[in-house]
This record gives sequence, C-alpha cells and structure tokens, in this order.
Amino acid sequence: AQSVTQLDSQVPVFEEAPVELRCNYSSSVSVYLFWYVQYPNQGLQLLLKYLSGSTLVKGINGFEAEFNKSQTSFHLRKPSVHISDTAEYFCAVSDHKLIFGSGTRLLVRP
Amino acid sequence: DVKVTQSSRYLVKRTGEKVFLECVQDMDHENMFWYRQDPGLGLRLIYFSYDVKMKEKGDIPEGYSVSREKKERFSLILESASTNQTSMYLCASSSPGKDTQYFGPGTRLTVL
Repeated sequence: AQSVTQLDSQVPVFEEAPVELRCNYSSSVSVYLFWYVQYPNQGLQLLLKYLSGSTLVKGINGFEAEFNKSQTSFHLRKPSVHISDTAEYFCAVSDHKLIFGSGTRLLVRP
Repeated sequence: DVKVTQSSRYLVKRTGEKVFLECVQDMDHENMFWYRQDPGLGLRLIYFSYDVKMKEKGDIPEGYSVSREKKERFSLILESASTNQTSMYLCASSSPGKDTQYFGPGTRLTVL
C-alpha cells in the first residue's frame, strides 16, 4: 500500500526566512503528487500538484516543489515566508484515492 | 468558482444519537469523498463514491455509512454516535481519475 511520510510535525521559522517542508512517498508506480494547505478553521486548499513533465512545480503564494523520483520525495519550498503562511501543510499521493501525510505545521514568527 | 459546502461548521451531539453530515458540490463532479482529520494522523478516508447510488469503503469505515442519491450530494451518517467519533470531518469532490480534489470547509463534530 502506498504511504506518505512528512518528517516534521512542526517547523518554526522567522519571517522572511526560507523554508522547506519534507515529504517522502512510497510507490513503485507512477503517481500524482499534491501539496495542500489548511489555514486555521478552514478546509484544505490546493497549493500545487505534480502530474507529469517538469519536476519543478510552481504553486500559489510563491511555493514550489520538486519531484525527485530516485529519492521518492516531493519537498515543498518557499524562499521567503510571511506571517500569513502560518498553516498546516499536507502532502498527498494519488492513485485514484488520495493518501495523505500526517501534516506539518508551519509556524512563522515575526 | 469551485464550491463544496458542508451543512454545519460546528455540531455537538450526544452519545447514541444518529448524526447526518451533508455535503454538496456544484461542479458536476462524479467523485465524492468523506475524510476525518485528527491531530497527528492527517486525513483518513472514511467512504467515497464514484457515482450516484454507488459507495466504497475507505480506510476507516467502521461506525459510518453514506448515502448518495443525487450526483451533487453525499451524506455521511453516524448511526449511533460515540465519543471516539469526535473529530473534524471533511468532504471533497473531484473529476474522474487522479486529479485534484476540492474540499469543503469541514464540520467539527463533538460527541458528548
């Protein structure tokens, strides 16, 4: 069965610093990969997705992620975070159903 | 604009009550999903449906049932609510295949 591992449950970072949220997946077949964001008291919103093609995927709010097939990773990055990026971030892999990681809480401090 | 709505944002019920959570999407999506979200566990799939009157069990179906009488509406039913069903419930919909799921705002259910 497929699985998704988000290695960090919480990542504290200062405003305007870069951030990387890590995601690894286990799959031997081609998959679609997603990052979703959940702001406090809201549902999930799609940040970006990898379906095929270029391994560097750009999403909303200045986020990007890189698909690395050999390392089975799909890490999320942003070069300079804002206070408003404080939220929970979920990595997911799709094979007709979405399998979610346990989430990483990004805490941006002033 | 894509829209998935859920009938309640917050719900408080007593143990043993029958609970209905409603989800409606306006995108004409074939696929609909119910998840529960718990701290440290991410989202876990309860049930999903690929078509009207069709349902399939997800990873944690015990204690839940679903109904899909119309394409746009997918209901989650707790036949006899228990305290361990206190959670955030999220509904989602998507087109056929592996593509993006669109989520509702969630219903935070507390069972006392």
